[in-house]
Amino acid sequence: NAGVTQTPKFRVLKTGQSMTLLCAQDMNHEYMYWYRQDPGMGLRLIHYSVGEGTTAKGEVPDGYNVSRLKKQNFLLGLESAAPSQTSVYFCASSLRLAGLYEQFFGPGTRLTVL
Amino acid sequence: KQEVTQIPAALSVPEGENLVLNCSFTDSAIYNLQWFRQDPGKGLTSLLLIQSSQREQTSGRLNASLDKSSGRSTLYIAASQPGDSATYLCAPGGKLIFGQGTELSVKP
Repeated sequence: NAGVTQTPKFRVLKTGQSMTLLCAQDMNHEYMYWYRQDPGMGLRLIHYSVGEGTTAKGEVPDGYNVSRLKKQNFLLGLESAAPSQTSVYFCASSLRLAGLYEQFFGPGTRLTVL
Repeated sequence: KQEVTQIPAALSVPEGENLVLNCSFTDSAIYNLQWFRQDPGKGLTSLLLIQSSQREQTSGRLNASLDKSSGRSTLYIAASQPGDSATYLCAPGGKLIFGQGTELSVKP
């Protein structure tokens, strides 16, 4: 049981490049989330999904897109990376809404945009 | 909008001390509250989940309390150890918003 895994662990992009971050969970959780963590700003929710085929915007969704084609996977895409997107990205999952159920986190992806 | 404040922002104590970390939130309409630990360069690890119907939850040397009416939660760490050094974050449930954390350093 691997829990929540994220790929890649590190990435360096140039401004304007695109990339996709992959999150996978093997706990059969319905809900999945993408956060970014920045010094002085804490964790902020980017997008989340309440089930396969559904996505919703969080607090800071601009510049990101997501897809949940399979229940176990949640993808975060950057279409045209900007230096302001330099951050550590965390994926999380929970059985149902995190307000009711425990939330589990992945190890993070450290992204640098030059 | 839910606002979460954690006090203190940083704390340094000698090994063996008992300590209290505080979390306050503005919207008391929460289902539960979760405490996490984050080691440098790592993800978040769940420590305790307190349901809104509970007032306390214990796990080993950790004890968390929740007072919804006053918008407060505390995390009590007994007999602190150097291995407890990490950042501790709270997350009032339902709003997907986190506090900025308390950075704890326990000196041998």
